[in-house]
Amino acid sequence: KAGVTQTPRYLIKTRGQQVTLSCSPISGHRSVSWYQQTPGQGLQFLFEYFSETQRNKGNFPGRFSGRQFSNSRSEMNVSTLELGDSALYLCASSLSGLGGETQYFGPGTRLLVL
Amino acid sequence: GENVEQHPSTLSVQEGDSAVIKCTYSDSASNYFPWYKQELGKRPQLIIDIRSNVGEKKDQRIAVTLNKTAKHFSLHITETQPEDSAVYFCAASNDNAGNMLTFGGGTRLMVKP
Repeated sequence: KAGVTQTPRYLIKTRGQQVTLSCSPISGHRSVSWYQQTPGQGLQFLFEYFSETQRNKGNFPGRFSGRQFSNSRSEMNVSTLELGDSALYLCASSLSGLGGETQYFGPGTRLLVL
Repeated sequence: GENVEQHPSTLSVQEGDSAVIKCTYSDSASNYFPWYKQELGKRPQLIIDIRSNVGEKKDQRIAVTLNKTAKHFSLHITETQPEDSAVYFCAASNDNAGNMLTFGGGTRLMVKP
């Protein structure tokens, strides 16, 4: 099976702009989670989607949002970008998002905000 | 919420030596503890995991131990090789929070040939 894919792999934006990142899970996986990775804060959970519904949300401002489509692909959007949003954004997929399920990560989208 | 602390932040060992990375967690409801390896510029990859009903799990040169009473778990790598050099992350989750993972801060392991 093909692994988790993310597009684009790199992005450069300026403050105040918005950005949309895409994640395609492993075929058959219905749960997609998003994480932000920075040198200072490490890996932090953003949110999780299952069957087009957000089931869980981390401690991030409302500028961070997401959605999931009927084919389980997911997008996350960051509006009004700030310098501190520069990070590697990782998505991970699992079969049904149950506790204890293995999550498989994508290669990430590296976002640089200038 | 859950808080996971990981030590040490960097670890340098000689090839062939053992490496141990330790994590502590705060939420006694946590019941799933995966370990991920992230090589430079690559995605995190699961290397081993353990559930709270098990005290130890081994997979070739890698083992994980869990002490529920003390709320800590450890990764043990024996006979280290240069290709083990990477950043290792521990994480914890509990069924009440679905599959949300709370990660430790990471350990940069360097294996010197």
